[in-house]
Amino acid sequence: KAGVTQTPRYLIKTRGQQVTLSCSPISGHRSVSWYQQTPGQGLQFLFEYFSETQRNKGNFPGRFSGRQFSNSRSEMNVSTLELGDSALYLCASGLRTGDDTQYFGPGTRLTVL
Amino acid sequence: DQQVKQNSPSLSVQEGRISILNCDYTNSMFDYFLWYKKYPAEGPTFLISISSIKDKNEDGRFTVFLNKSAKHLSLHIVPSQPGDSAVYFCAASEGQGAQKLVFGQGTRLTINP
Repeated sequence: KAGVTQTPRYLIKTRGQQVTLSCSPISGHRSVSWYQQTPGQGLQFLFEYFSETQRNKGNFPGRFSGRQFSNSRSEMNVSTLELGDSALYLCASGLRTGDDTQYFGPGTRLTVL
Repeated sequence: DQQVKQNSPSLSVQEGRISILNCDYTNSMFDYFLWYKKYPAEGPTFLISISSIKDKNEDGRFTVFLNKSAKHLSLHIVPSQPGDSAVYFCAASEGQGAQKLVFGQGTRLTINP
């Protein structure tokens, strides 16, 4: 069974631009969660989608948004990029919301210049 | 405000000995705790979890202990093997299941031959 895939793996943007990251969950998984990992803040929860609906949301500004499609694939969008948005963005998929055994993808490394 | 803290950024243990990784939390609403393991360039991998109704959960070489009164949990690995060298994250959530996880900063475990 293929694992969680994230595209692109690396991305370089400049301040003020916007970016869209993509996550394809494991086949059959309907829950997708997004996390931001930075050296200073560690891993922080962004939001979770299940059956195309946002189920949980972390404490991030509205510049961070996401959506989930009917095939469970999810996208995360960050608008008006700031230098502090440079991070590794991880997505995790699970069979259902709150699933213990979430499977993480390798992440997208975003660098904002 | 760091609600989940792993105070040891790194730990070095001899192969065959016990590795003990510690985690403290401040939010008394947390009632579900998990440990993840992360290798470089990969996403975190779920290891073991424990609900607040238990004080111990064991899975092979891995045992998690929970001390609710002290708001402390620990992961014991016995015996430690070279493949255990990785970064370990503890995480917590409110309500059953791994929802809206709050992660610690991680502890880098190195197993020496």
